[in-house]
Amino acid sequence: GEDVEQSLFLSVREGDSSVINCTYTDSSSTYLYWYKQEPGAGLQLLTYIFSNMDMKQDQRLTVLLNKKDKHLSLRIADTQTGDSAIYFCAEKGQAGTALIFGKGTTLSVSS
Amino acid sequence: DVKVTQSSRYLVKRTGEKVFLECVQDMDHENMFWYRQDPGLGLRLIYFSYDVKMKEKGDIPEGYSVSREKKERFSLILESASTNQTSMYLCASSDIRNTIYFGEGSWLTVV
Repeated sequence: GEDVEQSLFLSVREGDSSVINCTYTDSSSTYLYWYKQEPGAGLQLLTYIFSNMDMKQDQRLTVLLNKKDKHLSLRIADTQTGDSAIYFCAEKGQAGTALIFGKGTTLSVSS
Repeated sequence: DVKVTQSSRYLVKRTGEKVFLECVQDMDHENMFWYRQDPGLGLRLIYFSYDVKMKEKGDIPEGYSVSREKKERFSLILESASTNQTSMYLCASSDIRNTIYFGEGSWLTVV
């Protein structure tokens, strides 16, 4: 079935780059998404990429998509303590409009 | 900005009580969703709705029902709350691109 996999934890130092990786199974996905969840809050859409793109850049965020390997990554440049959060990768599933989410990667940024 | 509002942030209910979680969106979105989020399990889809009075079961509908009488409002109902329904519940709606926007979440504790 459809599945989205992410590593559970990532720890970086302030100022370094962070790379969060994700693999997905549905090759027909048209959009892939990254969401951020801060403690006690809902999910905030960070960015998304259309499946015919390889890369999308938005300020400190770079999304890379490798469709052949079904691999998606989110790079955060100059990581700040305010970037500490859980990051979810998601793909649009085959069954209608609902998204399939990974279990989330907890990013911890130390100063 | 898209706004998805969940009426209650924190609730404590007794086992066997009927619980209503209300969600309202202000962007005239067709699709609305209820997810629950649990540590180590990520987000799991309970129900979604693609139109007024229409609903579809997600991955874990057991013990839940929903109501969509108006386009902007999607309610999640626990007919008889149980302790294993203690969780964070997230409501969301999506636009024509199927980008999903989340509310802030409702923390439900069943004692």
